[in-house]
Amino acid sequence: EAQVTQNPRYLITVTGKKLTVTCSQNMNHEYMSWYRQDPGLGLRQIYYSMNVEVTDKGDVPEGYKVSRKEKRNFPLILESPSPNQTSLYFCASRGQVYYEQYFGPGTRLTVT
Amino acid sequence: SQKIEQNSEALNIQEGKTATLTCNYTNYSPAYLQWYRQDPGRGPVFLLLIRENEKEKRKERLKVTFDTTLKQSLFHITASQPADSATYLCALAFPLYNQGGKLIFGQGTELSVKP
Repeated sequence: EAQVTQNPRYLITVTGKKLTVTCSQNMNHEYMSWYRQDPGLGLRQIYYSMNVEVTDKGDVPEGYKVSRKEKRNFPLILESPSPNQTSLYFCASRGQVYYEQYFGPGTRLTVT
Repeated sequence: SQKIEQNSEALNIQEGKTATLTCNYTNYSPAYLQWYRQDPGRGPVFLLLIRENEKEKRKERLKVTFDTTLKQSLFHITASQPADSATYLCALAFPLYNQGGKLIFGQGTELSVKP
């Protein structure tokens, strides 16, 4: 089954404790991205990757890092999380025909 | 900067009626526009794409129109069913040579179909 998986699904952490949210897709897509979704602000792109070792900032990259060492994986790293990073995070990969985004199930992060 | 607006209020309709959702944009000329469905606590799911040179697209009970002069897209669900209740997002795409063709999402319209 074609899918994007994310882990963990839920995470509660404290300010300053580094964390990584993993993302993996099994569709051989080149383009992947991370979004955060907040009430009243909608989905906003954090980082995107055009292919292995090619990443770039989206609209809200501050406080986040990413890496793309393999085509299927695109982890999101929060080096020093802060409460304003409490949000619902989605990883997505993009199809090559209709450029449709396939979203993961989401990771709900709470930083206290 | 680019701005996308969808129906600001939730839309409540009776089963069997046609739901019409609106997406307006400014300061932008998208290469194409997409519509997604999002259920509570889940990731958005792609429904339809319409390109800038297309006026209308259909898929089963769904129909999307795209008016680049008005800078507006309309999303219709005919013969609506309670199972259609969800939040619907429109997304505008940059051309592929611009930031990899990234998407900008509207905030979504929550649709509720009553039996």
